[in-house]
Amino acid sequence: RKEVEQDPGPFNVPEGATVAFNCTYSNSASQSFFWYRQDCRKEPKLLMSVYSSGNEDGRFTAQLNRASQYISLLIRDSKLSDSATYLCVVNPYAGNNRKLIWGLGTSLAVNP
Amino acid sequence: DTGVSQDPRHKITKRGQNVTFRCDPISEHNRLYWYRQTLGQGPEFLTYFQNEAQLEKSRLLSDRFSAERPKGSFSTLEIQRTEQGDSAMYLCASSPGLAGVADTQYFGPGTRLTVL
Repeated sequence: RKEVEQDPGPFNVPEGATVAFNCTYSNSASQSFFWYRQDCRKEPKLLMSVYSSGNEDGRFTAQLNRASQYISLLIRDSKLSDSATYLCVVNPYAGNNRKLIWGLGTSLAVNP
Repeated sequence: DTGVSQDPRHKITKRGQNVTFRCDPISEHNRLYWYRQTLGQGPEFLTYFQNEAQLEKSRLLSDRFSAERPKGSFSTLEIQRTEQGDSAMYLCASSPGLAGVADTQYFGPGTRLTVL
């Protein structure tokens, strides 16, 4: 089993749709979780850290389910500019984020 | 621009040549990371520095790869005797060195290497 698994998609959704991505991780001791966004041929950029209690930032909501070892990202009211690859990132180490384990990414295309 | 910078942005080389990439982290960030990313894959961790100390190296980092951060500021990644399989985007990231989730990694624009 891969350390971090994501459905690669692509997800094709119309503007205004709600879309959800899930990501599973294999190491139950994992400490920190993140969603990064990566545009084509650009560097990854942090979208959200994922907290145990779940967190929301505008149209984006991240959830963590430790019992089932998955994290999710919900995007509401999708915009054309949301089209990108969304990378699930897990830090299996306690204390700091020195080595992040990355999923392959989920591709999202928001269509007019 | 006070973000992470990398140089060069693109490098085309012939197999067997040596290449060196440079990364300038965000100032006052004491952690610096190198990753490699190929098309359709997530970034793969290569190595990590805390100040000038190289604390961890992936087994992906063969003997042909070496990284330095001599003064705890900028870092260089050298690949000797390049092979076609080295073609990838080489990403550098830095973080302030805080504990836990707060220690966010910020990425540079990457150096795209093509080995002919």
